[in-house]
Amino acid sequence: AQSVAQPEDQVNVAEGNPLTVKCTYSVSGNPYLFWYVQYPNRGLQFLLKYITGDNLVKGSYGFEAEFNKSQTSFHLKKPSALVSDSALYFCAVRDLTSGGSYIPTFGRGTSLIVHP
Amino acid sequence: SQTIHQWPATLVQPVGSPLSLECTVEGTSNPNLYWYRQAAGRGLQLLFYSVGIGQISSEVPQNLSASRPQDRQFILSSKKLLLSDSGFYLCAWRDRLRDGYTFGSGTRLTVV
Repeated sequence: AQSVAQPEDQVNVAEGNPLTVKCTYSVSGNPYLFWYVQYPNRGLQFLLKYITGDNLVKGSYGFEAEFNKSQTSFHLKKPSALVSDSALYFCAVRDLTSGGSYIPTFGRGTSLIVHP
Repeated sequence: SQTIHQWPATLVQPVGSPLSLECTVEGTSNPNLYWYRQAAGRGLQLLFYSVGIGQISSEVPQNLSASRPQDRQFILSSKKLLLSDSGFYLCAWRDRLRDGYTFGSGTRLTVV
């Protein structure tokens, strides 16, 4: 079984400040982790992914995420937030040992609001 | 290049009417395809997935059905819509080379 938790429904940050959106996961095997962003009435856009290797993954629009195996976390970060970063962010996980359907499990989403 | 098309973008249908949402993928073959529903602008609920033509798996019991008549076509249907079917429907496919997932732009369905 696989699951994802995004403990914060909403994160508020001032423009120019660093931001963190939290994600923890649970899988029986090795995790394959993703972050997606969704703007209003749009589909999900891929930001970054982690399969193996360096624990710090860099993605689109200046975002990065840190994989922490001992804490089973994959927090999304950005050094300096922009107002245009305001959107809904989804963390997802897939067990690398799963075959056939390759179904990812998504978290409930965290609404990021960046204040000018 | 690989793209995914989903239509219509918005749809308002009366209760009891039929539904057909279409999703097509270009630039790949034999993709895994998925239908998700997003209610109240938040979490994604997997409705159906398909690993090949004519192969449909349902994740939750519901008023909807799915079909895959061609390799790159995935259709979400209902014979009689319920108010509870309202939501934002997203189609996605798995890119085998990148081992990633690409989403369509979504369909906003309102049942009145």
